[in-house]
Amino acid sequence: EVQLVESGGGLVQPGGSLRLSCAASGFTFSDYFIDWVRQAPGKGLEWVGRNRNKAKSYTSQYAASVKGRFTISRDESKNSLYLQMNSLKIEDTAVYYCARSTDSWNDVLDFWGQGTLVTVSS
Amino acid sequence: DIQMTQSPSAMSASVGDRVTITCRASQGISNYLTWFQQKPGKVPKRLIYASSSLQSGVPSRFSGSGSGTEFTLTISSLQPEDFATYYCLQHSSYPFTFGPGTKVDIK
Repeated sequence: EVQLVESGGGLVQPGGSLRLSCAASGFTFSDYFIDWVRQAPGKGLEWVGRNRNKAKSYTSQYAASVKGRFTISRDESKNSLYLQMNSLKIEDTAVYYCARSTDSWNDVLDFWGQGTLVTVSS
Repeated sequence: DIQMTQSPSAMSASVGDRVTITCRASQGISNYLTWFQQKPGKVPKRLIYASSSLQSGVPSRFSGSGSGTEFTLTISSLQPEDFATYYCLQHSSYPFTFGPGTKVDIK
């Protein structure tokens, strides 16, 4: 059974840092791209970034709103993906989802984790 | 960045109605378009990928069409469990961008 489980959310002050984790199971983790998508309370979905698969050297891509502040990394030995969030802003408050994609441009976000809530507030 | 718009932003419909939601891209995206359904407090669920391919396990009353800049999601006969918000996503180029969503509620 495919599973993606996010963790690490919580309350953080503006300017602070937080690291989210996405633990994967039930599929060959290194074959898949993993995306982060967030949803502010009562708002729509926003793509945050992605980490490509092993064949693509685990390179990452980011939305402009987080580039330079957020970093995606992967630990193949733990089947886990991480989202390091620095210099957090109030507008980063959201539920953060990880979701898997294949390396096909037309096969994205087929399975999602349950999400973890990040609240940035003083 | 490619901007995505959806129409309508919200609609009221009855069980059994045929529902059509439109998604437009600010520039051509071929068929790199995916539709998601999200119910309140739940995780988004993929319905349609590659503009018109039905996700495994999704009822056949859902269908998608379009290419280039205009796309549609159609629900042929609305069921009680279909009341939700629907989002389109373009993944033709980075950054990927979602439409603002279409909320379908009960008339």
